[in-house]
Amino acid sequence: AQTVTQSQPEMSVQEAETVTLSCTYDTSESNYYLFWYKQPPSRQMILVIRQEAYKQQNATENRFSVNFQKAAKSFSLKISDSQLGDTAMYFCAFMIGPAGGTSYGKLTFGQGTILTVHP
Amino acid sequence: EPEVTQTPSHQVTQMGQEVILRCVPISNHLYFYWYRQILGQKVEFLVSFYNNEISEKSEIFDDQFSVERPDGSNFTLKIRSTKLEDSAMYFCASSHRTGGNEKLFFGSGTQLSVL
Repeated sequence: AQTVTQSQPEMSVQEAETVTLSCTYDTSESNYYLFWYKQPPSRQMILVIRQEAYKQQNATENRFSVNFQKAAKSFSLKISDSQLGDTAMYFCAFMIGPAGGTSYGKLTFGQGTILTVHP
Repeated sequence: EPEVTQTPSHQVTQMGQEVILRCVPISNHLYFYWYRQILGQKVEFLVSFYNNEISEKSEIFDDQFSVERPDGSNFTLKIRSTKLEDSAMYFCASSHRTGGNEKLFFGSGTQLSVL
């Protein structure tokens, strides 16, 4: 079974600064995907960024980038130029690849990190 | 941009009553999911559904739960006899796998309150 751990229950950052959210995971699989989802106070789940385990290059989406360390099973999210609208709960999530059979597509979430951006 | 739509946004029910939560997945998606999130806790997988069958279900998804795709657009979650501990936000999600480009898109959730 896969586990995802987010060790930072809460983080805060000043507007325009950079913040990094940590995530570690445990799996015996070699092919999988990792995600960061944002959940603002509205509680909607919004996909922020996605990483394929077989790709060495770290994914980036505008101000959001990841540091994927496969050997260490670490997947951190860096938010640059933080904005007030980035205030939300952030969830790291794991998905097994196609070799996982019926488990392919199923997300396992971490506990979440509450990020507050201060003006 | 296409969205997953969930109705109602809030549902209040009495313990022991049946509830049906409704979802309209993105139209060309083939894989459907229900997740739930108890307030302050992480999001948990309930069930996945493909080709009119359950693909996988968690231990949370007991005999009180069922899913159905009654027509070509809706995907429903039924709880037969609600318990207090069923109070949670329920999220529907859908995906369309193309070349391994797996992404789940979530609806905005239904907040279920069991009294």
